Amino acid sequence: DVKVTQSSRYLVKRTGEKVFLECVQDMDHENMFWYRQDPGLGLRLIYFSYDVKMKEKGDIPEGYSVSREKKERFSLILESASTNQTSMYLCASRKSSSYNSPLHFGNGTRLTVT
Amino acid sequence: GESVGLHLPTLSVQEGDNSIINCAYSNSASDYFIWYKQESGKGPQFIIDIRSNMDKRQGQRVTVLLNKTVKHLSLQIAATQPGDSAVYFCAENSGYSTLTFGKGTMLLVSP
Repeated sequence: DVKVTQSSRYLVKRTGEKVFLECVQDMDHENMFWYRQDPGLGLRLIYFSYDVKMKEKGDIPEGYSVSREKKERFSLILESASTNQTSMYLCASRKSSSYNSPLHFGNGTRLTVT
Repeated sequence: GESVGLHLPTLSVQEGDNSIINCAYSNSASDYFIWYKQESGKGPQFIIDIRSNMDKRQGQRVTVLLNKTVKHLSLQIAATQPGDSAVYFCAENSGYSTLTFGKGTMLLVSP
């Protein structure tokens, strides 16, 4: 089974802090994704990466950046955390051999910015 | 903490009933669709997928139906069990090789 591991289940940070959310997958998947999930808004794509060193903006990239230095790891960075970034963050991965294949998700990081 | 289930439409069924969860998708060019299940405190879990060249696909206790004419997707769960209680999302491949997710439906199964 694919395993996508997010390093923290819960995080509490202060406004203005730089925050790193880490995600690791163990199935040699090329594609990795970061979503945020908010009640009433569903899952929204922040950034994704087709492969190492590559990144693409999703629907809501403002206030975020990403890093993909190794194939198995995809980091989401909040340069200066704000209260409106309080959310559930979900990382996902997918084998790129077919774009018509499912994403595999981690269990999420619930971030609270105070 | 806040639940992903807030603000969602809810389907309540009795154990043993069949459940049907519906989803309207937006892009007539979408060619791939997925259903996910999300239990409280967990990430979305893949259930079943279907390509646009199919109308129906069956898995274990689940069936997905696709009606491209009206851009409608449904998930049928046979003999629903309490363990099926969760939020269910549909997703479509809307281009750019990413998925667009529906808001979800909460399924509540009573013993």
